[in-house]
Order: sequence, then C-alpha cells, then structure tokens
Amino acid sequence: DIVMTQSPDSLAVSLGERATINCKSSQSVLYRSKNKNCLAWYQQKPGQPPKLLIYWASTRESGVPDRFSGSGSGTDFTLTISSLQAEDVAVYYCQQYYSTPYTFGQGTKLEIK
Amino acid sequence: QVQLQESGPGLVKPSETLSLTCSVSGDSISGHYWSWIRQPPGKGLEWIAYIYYTGNTNYNPSLKSRVTISVDTSKNQFSLKVTSVTAADTAVYYCARGGNYPSWHFDYWGRGTLVTVSS
Repeated sequence: DIVMTQSPDSLAVSLGERATINCKSSQSVLYRSKNKNCLAWYQQKPGQPPKLLIYWASTRESGVPDRFSGSGSGTDFTLTISSLQAEDVAVYYCQQYYSTPYTFGQGTKLEIK
Repeated sequence: QVQLQESGPGLVKPSETLSLTCSVSGDSISGHYWSWIRQPPGKGLEWIAYIYYTGNTNYNPSLKSRVTISVDTSKNQFSLKVTSVTAADTAVYYCARGGNYPSWHFDYWGRGTLVTVSS
C-alpha cells in the first residue's frame, strides 16, 4: 500500500495569512503516460462529507475558490490557501489514486490563530 | 446536480452483516465508477471498494474477505455488504463517485451514514 503522510497534524493561521499543508507519499504517484500526478486534496468540515478541492495534484475542482492551490510532483505535494478565510477552518486530507488500495493521509486540522 | 444518498441500519450486532445501499440521482450509474469509503469516529478515511456498472470491482485487501460491493443499474443504486462485523467496523460510511476513469478522484459524496456495531 502507498502510505500518505501529512504535515503538520494541526495548523493555526491568522485570517488573511497563508496556510500550507504538506503531503508525502511512500512511492511516486506520477502516472508517466499521462504525465500527471494521481493526487487529490479534500476539505472536511464537522458533520459533513469530504469535499474535493484539487485533483491531478494541481487542478482546482469547479467552484473551488482560487485561493486554494495544489503543487508538487512525484512524492511531495503541497496544498496552499493563499489568504485564509474563516470558512476554511476544516480538516484537510490528501489522497492517492495511483494504485489500489487508494489511501488517504491522516488529515491536517486547520484553525484560526 | 449529482446526488448520492446512503441508506441502511444504523445499528448492527457483532458477527452479523452490515448492508448499505447508495441511491444515485442526477447521473446514470453507467459510465462512472462508484466507491464506498468509511471513517471511524474522530479518525481518518479508508477506501473500501469500487464498482463499475458492468460489475467490475476492486476491493481493499484489508477488508476483501468480508466485503461485497454490487450494482443495480435498474434502480441506479449500488450496495455494500460487510460480514462478521466487529466494533472496529463502527464508522460513518460514505458512498462516492469515482475510483477509475473518468473520475479516479472522488468528486461527489453522499452525506454519510453512521453504522454502530454493538450488541
């Protein structure tokens, strides 16, 4: 299984400041024939299902604010929120879909400082 | 708008079988892969299995011996069965669209249903 490890486990950022969450996979998730990384990011608020934010490591899902961006390749990835808003308080998960069993990171809890 | 809705018992006794159904609206179940994902209370996410309308399936090896996923195209539904449940199977169970082409990632999710395993 591909192990996904996120850092930090929790993060407190001031409103309007940048938030950065890291995700590392135990092996490359680069799909070479497509030259795309099989990596997605989700946001989960309390009592709600996860919401897809980013797929193919950097493609923003329709309707997701452009303050959310994804980057990275191979085994190291980053989710960046450029200017934190109050509604961004949530747990964020990365997920690989390079190979089954698909696996998620342990989650990063984002709070307001 | 694609919508998914899980249904099934919220309480299952140990050693019995957990059965859930996901009803899909706003999209045909044909043409996409569909998955089950679970989340124990206060913990992270675990992918369980996916299915295509043709019956093509893929299971998480950690659960494969106890899990069956099936599809009913006439009802636009897919289902999950987990046998011989224990307290470790207590979780919120989500159904989601995705798992393979054209959506490997999970782009639509149900609201989830909490299943508690207890006598």
